[in-house]
Amino acid sequence: GAVVSQHPSRVICKSGTSVKIECRSLDFQATTMFWYRQFPKQSLMLMATSNEGSKATYEQGVEKDKFLINHASLTLSTLTVTSAHPEDSSFYICSARDPQREAYTQYFGPGTRLTVL
Amino acid sequence: AQTVTQSQPEMSVQEAETVTLSCTYDTSESDYYLFWYKQPPSRQMILVIRQEAYKQQNATENRFSVNFQKAAKSFSLKISDSQLGDAAMYFCAYRGHGANNLFFGTGTRLTVIP
Repeated sequence: GAVVSQHPSRVICKSGTSVKIECRSLDFQATTMFWYRQFPKQSLMLMATSNEGSKATYEQGVEKDKFLINHASLTLSTLTVTSAHPEDSSFYICSARDPQREAYTQYFGPGTRLTVL
Repeated sequence: AQTVTQSQPEMSVQEAETVTLSCTYDTSESDYYLFWYKQPPSRQMILVIRQEAYKQQNATENRFSVNFQKAAKSFSLKISDSQLGDAAMYFCAYRGHGANNLFFGTGTRLTVIP
């Protein structure tokens, strides 16, 4: 149980294009999802908290107009990297909490590797 | 702000032996949660073990156990009977009781030697 999926697992795009990454909770409803960014050989950095039916909460230094988050249903949150540039290349990971289980535990998706040419 | 420190960037262990990974944290809260996550080469973050700060008993999950020292703000992970599949990056993480987000340490890369 508590499975989180991400799609796509890998994406390569040209500079200036937008890329959408989906995060789904497969066997539970997640009112809260989280988006992280991980640079090579580094830890996870929280970008934003995605709340179903309301605006996302962004961490300091994260541009909300650059990284658009939509949490339209209890099982789906999307992260759109708008006008991507090479410096946006990174590994993006989402996670979700299952309020019916141990509410304080986050379960992670498999990640999306974004390469911007 | 909460900080999580993992002072061992790399560790190695012989297969079937025991290894302990260190983690310390800084917080002014009395109620919180601590986690160890494993990130193998696939980069999928996998929950290894969790501990509620109000519980004095150390958490255990099969070959994995923790040594939780609340006063010292220490949360080490012990892996017994190490297996090749245990090779991965291990991240220690903290979450405040009323908070949403996790604070991660910088990770420890564990190598298991056959």
